[in-house]
Amino acid sequence: DIQMTQSPSSLSASVGDRVTITCRASQSISNYLNWYQQKPGKAPNLLIYPASSLQSGVPSRFSGSGSGTDFTLTISSLQPEDFATYYCQQSYSTPYTFGQGTKLEIK
Amino acid sequence: EVQLVESGGGLVQPGGSLRLSCAASGFTFSSYSMNWVRQAPGKGLEWVSYISSSSSIIYYADSVKGRFTISRDNVKNSLYLQMNSLRDEDTAVYYCARATPSIMGYWGQGTLVTVSS
Repeated sequence: DIQMTQSPSSLSASVGDRVTITCRASQSISNYLNWYQQKPGKAPNLLIYPASSLQSGVPSRFSGSGSGTDFTLTISSLQPEDFATYYCQQSYSTPYTFGQGTKLEIK
Repeated sequence: EVQLVESGGGLVQPGGSLRLSCAASGFTFSSYSMNWVRQAPGKGLEWVSYISSSSSIIYYADSVKGRFTISRDNVKNSLYLQMNSLRDEDTAVYYCARATPSIMGYWGQGTLVTVSS
């Protein structure tokens, strides 16, 4: 199985900050990497796929990059509604594994 | 508008069975693959199972293989998850998600399954 490791596991930041979350795959997954945002009590919401394309309706302050084993999600200027948990997920092969999540909290 | 509505969750004893349903609307259900993903209380996301649009391709996570069965009815626009031999560790919110084919662009609101004696 492909293991997905996110860092950091949690992050405190302020409105307006630029934030980067990293996801590393245990083997090359080309660009088959997706990013999701989840708010408490809600279903996950697709942000970025595969690796760098912005899902329709997602603000342009979100961006993704990477290929192979190393990927990043960047939020260019944090807004109050961005405080949530973020997950990466590989869609290269089953089982479609997720990272453990990065909880983004208000400083 | 794409809508996915899960149902069928509840409290069940260890070793028991439960059947989850996911009613789809707002898109051509028969054209899309579907997934089940679960989330244990306070934990991360775990992919459970995948079914192709025609049901010809099915995959399971090792943790549920042999106990869970995914199926779909393209006439009724519905996805199912039959869960047998349930264990404490199956306690989770179960989400259905539309896939293209493994990118989960739309999710339901989830249904809670609690396995406890």
